Amino acid sequence: QKEVEQNSGPLSVPEGAIASLNCTYSDRGSQSFFWYRQYSGKSPELIMFIYSNGDKEDGRFTAQLNKASQYVSLLIRDSQPSDSATYLCAVSGGYQKVTFGTGTKLQVIP
Amino acid sequence: SAVISQKPSRDICQRGTSLTIQCQVDSQVTMMFWYRQQPGQSLTLIATANQGSEATYESGFVIDKFPISRPNLTFSTLTVSNMSPEDSSIYLCSVEPDANTGELFFGEGSRLTVL
Repeated sequence: QKEVEQNSGPLSVPEGAIASLNCTYSDRGSQSFFWYRQYSGKSPELIMFIYSNGDKEDGRFTAQLNKASQYVSLLIRDSQPSDSATYLCAVSGGYQKVTFGTGTKLQVIP
Repeated sequence: SAVISQKPSRDICQRGTSLTIQCQVDSQVTMMFWYRQQPGQSLTLIATANQGSEATYESGFVIDKFPISRPNLTFSTLTVSNMSPEDSSIYLCSVEPDANTGELFFGEGSRLTVL
């Protein structure tokens, strides 16, 4: 059973702080890693993807991947109340289906 | 990216009835995916729909319960048959515009409540 594990939260951070969201996965053959943001009552929206070990930055978002530790993280710098949402980690093995974690609820406190 | 229209956005259904959800994409895509998201849960893949062939169902999901059509490269339907309260969920259509990247785009979802 391929699994993607996330802490369900809620993770509360003050406005302007760095939010750190973490994810572990069980399948060592996984090749592609994604972060989706899901606002309450809305569908998931792809915000970051990463394929190689290391960091990938896009604006206030940084995705980090460590395949040896089977660990993916998402850092959100200068967190804003509009970042409050559930963040879903997802993993894929190329031609294989995408497996989603249960999500971490982030609350940014003004 | 892709723009996906899904309908109905929500419905309240009676036990034992069936409902068909439609998904329309603004561009041609090889595969369309149907997910279920139960309250407080993550997304579970129901099946993958390819144009011109039978849908591929994941473990725990069967064609008799969730028949799928894929008549062309921009459209698919998912039917939830003989509904029970346990089928109350959000059903999401998804596409992968760049094949085999895993980068998915979702419709707005169909929230079904079965009484």
